[in-house]
Amino acid sequence: LAKTTQPISMDSYEGQEVNITCSHNNIATNDYITWYQQFPSQGPRFIIQGYKTKVTNEVASLFIPADRKSSTLSLPRVSLSDTAVYYCLVGHSGAGSYQLTFGKGTKLSVIP
Amino acid sequence: EAGVTQSPTHLIKTRGQQATLRCSPISGHTSVYWYQQALGLGLQFLLWYDEGEERNRGNFPPRFSGRQFPNYSSELNVNALELEDSALYLCASSLVLGQAKNIQYFGAGTRLSVL
Repeated sequence: LAKTTQPISMDSYEGQEVNITCSHNNIATNDYITWYQQFPSQGPRFIIQGYKTKVTNEVASLFIPADRKSSTLSLPRVSLSDTAVYYCLVGHSGAGSYQLTFGKGTKLSVIP
Repeated sequence: EAGVTQSPTHLIKTRGQQATLRCSPISGHTSVYWYQQALGLGLQFLLWYDEGEERNRGNFPPRFSGRQFPNYSSELNVNALELEDSALYLCASSLVLGQAKNIQYFGAGTRLSVL
């Protein structure tokens, strides 16, 4: 399973764009990159998933360079409600098993 | 469309007792996953069920067990409870089996407190 590394915490002011970068140096050819958001005492919520280049949805954008060894989650114009822990995961399947490996995530604090 | 539902929301037990947690997946999803999240820690993978069979389990002792029913709902059983079992237990479900782009959808969790 590819190990992911992301900053432990980040602070941002309301209205700013936030970029959270995740490194996954040993990502495999078939692996996808997925980001989840988790509020305290709640289950993680799927944000976005990508394989390469750029993916955008109504919530965020995901930038993945050609070598796929890192990815950046971009949250446009954050608000206080975006304060949460953000997890970067590299999905892996093989030999009939599949599971998500969550790291410690990045705790984003949005400041008024 | 209803999301993943878990019951109970909170569960209080004493050491040595057994706990049963329940999960109903999103309609049409065949895979159910269980995770443990101790306070302040990340999610640890517990178990994965698909089509009624256990497909994989994480690094947890055998007293953590479960099953999946024909309607794809699932139970997680924790026997001989220990204080360190106190955690948020999360259930997730997914539609596509065994593919790397599989997206898991999580319930709100069951908060288990062992006294």
